[in-house]
Amino acid sequence: EAGVAQSPRYKIIEKRQSVAFWCNPISGHATLYWYQQILGQGPKLLIQFQNNGVVDDSQLPKDRFSAERLKGVDSTLKIQPAKLEDSAVYLCASSPSGRADEQFFGPGTRLTVL
Amino acid sequence: GENVEQHPSTLSVQEGDSAVIKCTYSDSASNYFPWYKQELGKRPQLIIDIRSNVGEKKDQRIAVTLNKTAKHFSLHITETQPEDSAVYFCAARGYSSASKIIFGSGTRLSIRP
Repeated sequence: EAGVAQSPRYKIIEKRQSVAFWCNPISGHATLYWYQQILGQGPKLLIQFQNNGVVDDSQLPKDRFSAERLKGVDSTLKIQPAKLEDSAVYLCASSPSGRADEQFFGPGTRLTVL
Repeated sequence: GENVEQHPSTLSVQEGDSAVIKCTYSDSASNYFPWYKQELGKRPQLIIDIRSNVGEKKDQRIAVTLNKTAKHFSLHITETQPEDSAVYFCAARGYSSASKIIFGSGTRLSIRP
């Protein structure tokens, strides 16, 4: 089966610019996660969707980050404006409905903010 | 808030020897404990997991043990091979599909030839 797809794979922007990441989960997976992984650290959950509803966004910096999952399939994560400390790999993951503990990760988007 | 601590941060072992990575968690409601392996520049991949109704689980050279009373769990890799070199992350989450998964900070495992 096809895995979780993400684009772009790499992005370099200057601080205060905007950027958007896209994720296409595995077909039929109801739960979608966005993680931020800073170099040398474990992934940190930013937001979790169940279908098109938000389950948890307690660690999402809402003053600059936003995410949506229209129609309960694809999702986009946006940063506006970006800061230097946003440099990280942004990982998308998905889980089958009813088995939210088994997560499948995408390849990630490596963001560099200059 | 919930926290998962992982030790050591780096580990170097001789090929063929065993490696042990330990994690502790703070949320007593946690009942699912996965371990992920992440090779350089690649995505995390689940290698083994354990649930709170089980004390130990083994899959070939990999085993995980769980002590719910002490709130700690460990990953054991026996007969290590060069391809085991990677960063390993532990994680913990509660039962509900809505519960948040918390990752440890990772252990960089290097296998010396």
